[in-house]
Amino acid sequence: EAQVTQNPRYLITVTGKKLTVTCSQNMNHEYMSWYRQDPGLGLRQIYYSMNVEVTDKGDVPEGYKVSRKEKRNFPLILESPSPNQTSLYFCASKNRGETQYFGPGTRLLVL
Amino acid sequence: GENVEQHPSTLSVQEGDSAVIKCTYSDSASNYFPWYKQELGKRPQLIIDIRSNVGEKKDQRIAVTLNKTAKHFSLHITETQPEDSAVYFCAASRRASWGKLQFGAGTQVVVTP
Repeated sequence: EAQVTQNPRYLITVTGKKLTVTCSQNMNHEYMSWYRQDPGLGLRQIYYSMNVEVTDKGDVPEGYKVSRKEKRNFPLILESPSPNQTSLYFCASKNRGETQYFGPGTRLLVL
Repeated sequence: GENVEQHPSTLSVQEGDSAVIKCTYSDSASNYFPWYKQELGKRPQLIIDIRSNVGEKKDQRIAVTLNKTAKHFSLHITETQPEDSAVYFCAASRRASWGKLQFGAGTQVVVTP
C-alpha cells in the first residue's frame, strides 16, 4: 500500500530535550517536505528536499533541522525544542506532476 | 515569494446549498493550484486541482475555476452534504519549484442539516 508514515504520532517533551520525528514513504518520491499546522495559520512549510542530499529551507525553518540520506526517509530534528514549537506536524511527498501525499501527522507538545 | 490568501475563514451553509471558497495568489508564475480537504483529526487530502492552461475543472459536486488575469481561483461545492464539513485549503506552486506548495490559511466549512 502506497503511504507516508510518521513516528511518533504523539509526543510530549520538555524544553531543550532533543527529539526526532521520522518520516518514510514507499512510493519512490523525489520530493519530501515538512509542514507545521497551527490554528488560523494553515500549513506552513518548514523544510523540503528535492532529492537525496538536497534540502532547502521553507517558510519557517528556525529551530529545525532535516536530513535526506536516503530517498525514502526525511527525518525532522528539533535540537532544542521550545514551547512555540508545540504544533501538529505533517510530512508529505510527491513526484513532479503528481499529487502530494501527506503523512498522518505528529502532534507535539513542548512543556 | 508566493503569498496565498483564502476567504472566508469560516463558512456555514445549509445542506443542499452551494459553498464557494476563494483564493488569491501573488506570483504570476504560479501554474498549479490544488485544493485539499482536511477532516477533523485527519491528514489533508487532495480533492481537486487545476493547472494554469485550464480555466475550469469539475468532478461530480466539486469544481474549481481559475482566473489567471486576476490571479484568483475558487472552489465550488454544490448540493452540500454533512460529510462536506471540513477544513479546506487552497495552494499554489510554480513550475520552476514544482515541489513547493504555498498554502492558504484554510476555510472551516460547516454544513448544517
